[in-house]
Amino acid sequence: DAGVIQSPRHEVTEMGQEVTLRCKPISGHDYLFWYRQTMMRGLELLIYFNNNVPIDDSGMPEDRFSAKMPNASFSTLKIQPSEPRDSAVYFCASSFLAGAYNEQFFGPGTRLTVL
Amino acid sequence: GESVGLHLPTLSVQEGDNSIINCAYSNSASDYFIWYKQESGKGPQFIIDIRSNMDKRQGQRVTVLLNKTVKHLSLQIAATQPGDSAIYFCATGSARQLTFGSGTQLTVLP
Repeated sequence: DAGVIQSPRHEVTEMGQEVTLRCKPISGHDYLFWYRQTMMRGLELLIYFNNNVPIDDSGMPEDRFSAKMPNASFSTLKIQPSEPRDSAVYFCASSFLAGAYNEQFFGPGTRLTVL
Repeated sequence: GESVGLHLPTLSVQEGDNSIINCAYSNSASDYFIWYKQESGKGPQFIIDIRSNMDKRQGQRVTVLLNKTVKHLSLQIAATQPGDSAIYFCATGSARQLTFGSGTQLTVLP
């Protein structure tokens, strides 16, 4: 298996533009997680899905952020409009089961820079 | 609320020496603890875990120690190698949630 795949790896955009980050989880994993990583706040869970259904989106910063999972092999995280404070590395992770007891496999991340 | 923190943001060790990375957590309900390693340009990777009913667990060159009394977790790396240079995160949680610490940068000096 190729592991969790994310695209793009790097994204530079201007404030106010829409940004879409993409993730392909490991085949057979029922859980998908979106994280944001910054120096100030570390790794923060934004939202996670179970069988394509959003379960907990309490970490989503505000309405400018939205996430979808139209099928078991694809998820998107969209920011509209983007702001400089959204600059961070965004990780997607997947796991076979939920909760801390089950290893989450992380993708390589998307480094987002909003100018 | 839950917080997971690290005592030292950076740690430099000589190649061949042992490394110790520390982590404090606040939620006494946490019953599962994990260490992740993140190399430059990559996502976090699982290293070792420990459950609350244990106080020590060993892997290949790594040992995790858990002190629930003081809510402290440590990762020991034996005979540190250049490939060990990375950011190390502790994470704590339960069946439903996992919370990550802010990370410690380990640098292995030649």
